[in-house]
Amino acid sequence: QPLLQESGPGLVRPSETLSLTCTVSSDSITSRLYYWGWIRQPPGKGLEWIGTIYHTGTSNYNPSLKNRITISVDTSTNQFSLRLNFVTAADTAVYYCARHTRADADSPFDLWGRGTLVTVSS
Amino acid sequence: DIQMTQSPSTLSASVGDRVTITCRASQSISTWLAWYQQKPGKAPKFLIYKASNLESGVPSRFSGSGSGTEFTLTISSLQPDDFATYYCQQYNDYFLTFGQGTKVEIK
Repeated sequence: QPLLQESGPGLVRPSETLSLTCTVSSDSITSRLYYWGWIRQPPGKGLEWIGTIYHTGTSNYNPSLKNRITISVDTSTNQFSLRLNFVTAADTAVYYCARHTRADADSPFDLWGRGTLVTVSS
Repeated sequence: DIQMTQSPSTLSASVGDRVTITCRASQSISTWLAWYQQKPGKAPKFLIYKASNLESGVPSRFSGSGSGTEFTLTISSLQPDDFATYYCQQYNDYFLTFGQGTKVEIK
């Protein structure tokens, strides 16, 4: 079982909401040791940071996506989630959840989920 | 936002070669730089943090250097397992950004 695992629909209609959940098995998400983040990668392209959250709910978002994103945390299920509103074909990508190396939003990612492909299409 | 530019975009090399990838930041990021390796269909693997610190378990043939705006990732003797795409990432501020990637392919 992967230490971080993304789940959610693989197909989303344009203008609708993309919703993904990351289930964390590596640690208690309430640990003060780490922030948690989402990164995406369009097919054949590079990596784009989406946003980051702490177990308290403190979050940072990519300014280019900020108006459409919500990242939340559920400590009772040891999960954190991503919602991206009003999706278009440009949001088609592999979405990764990942663990920051420390309890700081400006830190790299040392543990990644396997990623899940989300396609935006009618 | 801080732009990260990698060069080259693609690099052809042979097993045993010494390989160097460059990453440039649009403004100074001190040594707040990480490197990742990604193979097709897989998640990125964390290699180096704070420009030159090897993550636990990463082979010593990998090394990183640099500060300010210019950084390098060096593979001292390329192994078959090293053919992959490499990304740099700055974490100087909360708006995290990645380079566009450098693909290391077999010559």
